[in-house]
Amino acid sequence: SQQGEEDPQALSIQEGENATMNCSYKTSINNLQWYRQNSGRGLVHLILIRSNEREKHSGRLRVTLDTSKKSSSLLITASRAADTASYFCAGHMFSGGYNKLIFGAGTRLAVHP
Amino acid sequence: DAGVIQSPRHEVTEMGQEVTLRCKPISGHDYLFWYRQTMMRGLELLIYFNNNVPIDDSGMPEDRFSAKMPNASFSTLKIQPSEPRDSAVYFCASSHRLAGVSDEQYFGPGTRLTVT
Repeated sequence: SQQGEEDPQALSIQEGENATMNCSYKTSINNLQWYRQNSGRGLVHLILIRSNEREKHSGRLRVTLDTSKKSSSLLITASRAADTASYFCAGHMFSGGYNKLIFGAGTRLAVHP
Repeated sequence: DAGVIQSPRHEVTEMGQEVTLRCKPISGHDYLFWYRQTMMRGLELLIYFNNNVPIDDSGMPEDRFSAKMPNASFSTLKIQPSEPRDSAVYFCASSHRLAGVSDEQYFGPGTRLTVT
């Protein structure tokens, strides 16, 4: 499969703690994106990191990218109950003759008050 | 802007029936994507359009699935005949022409399809 692999599949933490989710992919990418999905909703774009970048910050989010290891991580600092959601990485790659986003299986994050 | 609009939000139908899902992208967005999400297979790209023209339909499962985009503000995904294994949440997403396929995509709320 060309889909990214994410771990852990599920993560349960207390409010205030940091949450780290990892994503690995198999083919070369142009950029890697992270999306959040609340239960019963569509995906919402969080952050994009390009293949020539190693780290990017946005508010409480920190994303790293290691193209040599074909992996990325998403860190959410000082988590809140409202961060409870599924988080997906998506690699932009050239596949089957077309540019497309390939999504990982996602990590389900539960933040307990 | 109201965001990407999908209808219906929920659809329950019997095997063999025709199902039509509808999507209105964000105004000014030139790219439109149809995805399917299941527990087993995750989020899969079915087809995407650029300026109303289908570009990549390699993800369409089989001939029972078809998609059209008659104008910049409307697209349909049709399943005929439907089968229980088509049960999933179908998402429509759009992106701005400057973003294209490679940048931020805006997702609709999805249509939950149940085929009995």
